[in-house]
Amino acid sequence: DQQVKQNSPSLSVQEGRISILNCDYTNSMFDYFLWYKKYPAEGPTFLISISSIKDKNEDGRFTVFLNKSAKHLSLHIVPSQPGDSAVYFCAAIRSGAGSYQLTFGKGTKLSVIP
Amino acid sequence: DVKVTQSSRYLVKRTGEKVFLECVQDMDHENMFWYRQDPGLGLRLIYFSYDVKMKEKGDIPEGYSVSREKKERFSLILESASTNQTSMYLCASSSPGTGDGNTIYFGEGSWLTVV
Repeated sequence: DQQVKQNSPSLSVQEGRISILNCDYTNSMFDYFLWYKKYPAEGPTFLISISSIKDKNEDGRFTVFLNKSAKHLSLHIVPSQPGDSAVYFCAAIRSGAGSYQLTFGKGTKLSVIP
Repeated sequence: DVKVTQSSRYLVKRTGEKVFLECVQDMDHENMFWYRQDPGLGLRLIYFSYDVKMKEKGDIPEGYSVSREKKERFSLILESASTNQTSMYLCASSSPGTGDGNTIYFGEGSWLTVV
């Protein structure tokens, strides 16, 4: 049973516009969420995280929104740049759990078109 | 900055060969992990270790084993490589604890092709 779902395998966005990547989770015990970015032939790199005590976290062009009641989070990239083209993984965990329990979604491939 | 180094970036091995993938981290992290990444399947945990000489199975341990003789080093072993083990293998590490301790840091990956 997939506890973290990224229902869009791919997304194309024009350069300069907003990219919105979505993630849904089913386990109500999850209270810490992370986004990773992965370029081809490289390992994933940590991008941004959010704790369930917040509903928004911002870091430059990247903002993550958390809707606990809907068990939904989204990553907004504004403005999108060609260098943002990558696969984005959403991940979730329950605080206090070991990191091995970090549950990943299957990823969304973002293509930013110049 | 956390540095997780995978010694082999690209390998081609024959079916039945024994394969070693080596990983070293320089942040004194207790936890180390091996994942594989396949298109459409995301990141799947093979094995993890929370201490020297300790290992635990992840979601897909079949066909793999691991070794952790030193804190900074975690090796993945394919005892007899098969074509369905062709994949990108990712080593990772983290420190214990909540919050930022749940952030896993990945190496650059090892592309393994089994022919």
